[in-house]
Amino acid sequence: GNSVTQMEGPVTLSEEAFLTINCTYTATGYPSLFWYVQYPGEGLQLLLKATKADDKGSNKGFEATYRKETTSFHLEKGSVQVSDSAVYFCALSDGYSTLTFGKGTMLLVSP
Amino acid sequence: GAGVSQSPSNKVTEKGKDVELRCDPISGHTALYWYRQRLGQGLEFLIYFQGNSAPDKSGLPSDRFSAERTGESVSTLTIQRTQQEDSAVYLCASSLGGPGSYTFGSGTRLTVV
Repeated sequence: GNSVTQMEGPVTLSEEAFLTINCTYTATGYPSLFWYVQYPGEGLQLLLKATKADDKGSNKGFEATYRKETTSFHLEKGSVQVSDSAVYFCALSDGYSTLTFGKGTMLLVSP
Repeated sequence: GAGVSQSPSNKVTEKGKDVELRCDPISGHTALYWYRQRLGQGLEFLIYFQGNSAPDKSGLPSDRFSAERTGESVSTLTIQRTQQEDSAVYLCASSLGGPGSYTFGSGTRLTVV
């Protein structure tokens, strides 16, 4: 079956630090990959996505590249802000079933 | 509406009582999903509605859980004889049916005491 594995949190960084949150997946076929973000007290929001190998999704300074050879979709940002503090979820869709989510990684950014 | 609306936002109930959670999807979204988010866990798929097709109930954890949706509008998730392990945030999402681009509501936090 499909599965998504994310690095455990919390990830604690100072403002302007570089961020990487690792995500690897197991799926049949060629899934689409997603990062969702959940700010405190809110629902999940789609942050970025990639639908085929070597695609790079990007939004709000965040990037992730779909790496089929390593089955990975790591989230990166060059300079985090306090307002980026949230829980980040990696997810996949194989097109036939609903989204499969990772357990989420909490990011805490201090001033 | 502009987004996915869920009600109530918080619900505290006694063990053994029934609860009903409501989700108003974005108008025109044919697909509707329910997920459960337990503390420190990922999102657990519960049920999926797509248009007038039979729902995918494969994620419902027990027969105490059921959900309905009328056409492409409101959905209700019902939990009968609640147990403490049902305590979680229940999230609803809707989409146009394409892979992955869901819009989530803010969730209902259910606490069973």
